[in-house]
Amino acid sequence: DVKVTQSSRYLVKRTGEKVFLECVQDMDHENMFWYRQDPGLGLRLIYFSYDVKMKEKGDIPEGYSVSREKKERFSLILESASTNQTSMYLCASSLSYRETEAFFGQGTRLTVV
Amino acid sequence: SQQGEEDPQALSIQEGENATMNCSYKTSINNLQWYRQNSGRGLVHLILIRSNEREKHSGRLRVTLDTSKKSSSLLITASRAADTASYFCAGSTGTASKLTFGTGTRLQVTL
Repeated sequence: DVKVTQSSRYLVKRTGEKVFLECVQDMDHENMFWYRQDPGLGLRLIYFSYDVKMKEKGDIPEGYSVSREKKERFSLILESASTNQTSMYLCASSLSYRETEAFFGQGTRLTVV
Repeated sequence: SQQGEEDPQALSIQEGENATMNCSYKTSINNLQWYRQNSGRGLVHLILIRSNEREKHSGRLRVTLDTSKKSSSLLITASRAADTASYFCAGSTGTASKLTFGTGTRLQVTL
């Protein structure tokens, strides 16, 4: 089975801190995604990557950056955390542009205080 | 912007009844997918329908796609309490297979 692992289940950070959310997949998937999920808004795409060192902005990239130095790892970076970034963050991966079924991690619930 | 909008936002039915959820999307898609999310957990893929398909079945699930109306529906037959979850549609677009999700339908199945 494909496994997508997010480094933390729960995280509490202070305003202004630099925050790293890590995601690792173990099935050699080309595509990786970062979403945030807020009540009533569903999942919103922050960034995605279709290859190592390749990234594209999603619908809400402001305040975030990403890094994909290795195929299996996709990191989401909050450069200076703010309270409006308190949310559930979900990482996902899919095999290729032909096989687009996404596999999700369990999510990281981030609270910025 | 959201790719899909699900309707209804919430649905409550009794065990054994059928549940129908609808999804409308905005742009052309390569395929449309449905996912389930149990409370506070990650999403699980249920079924994928390609843009050249009109209907697809998987167990108790039936999905339809109308590309002319940019809409899809998910039917769960003979629902069970274990089907209680949120359901999301997602459109796959572009060569990078960008997946954009809707806002979801919360399904409650009572005994």
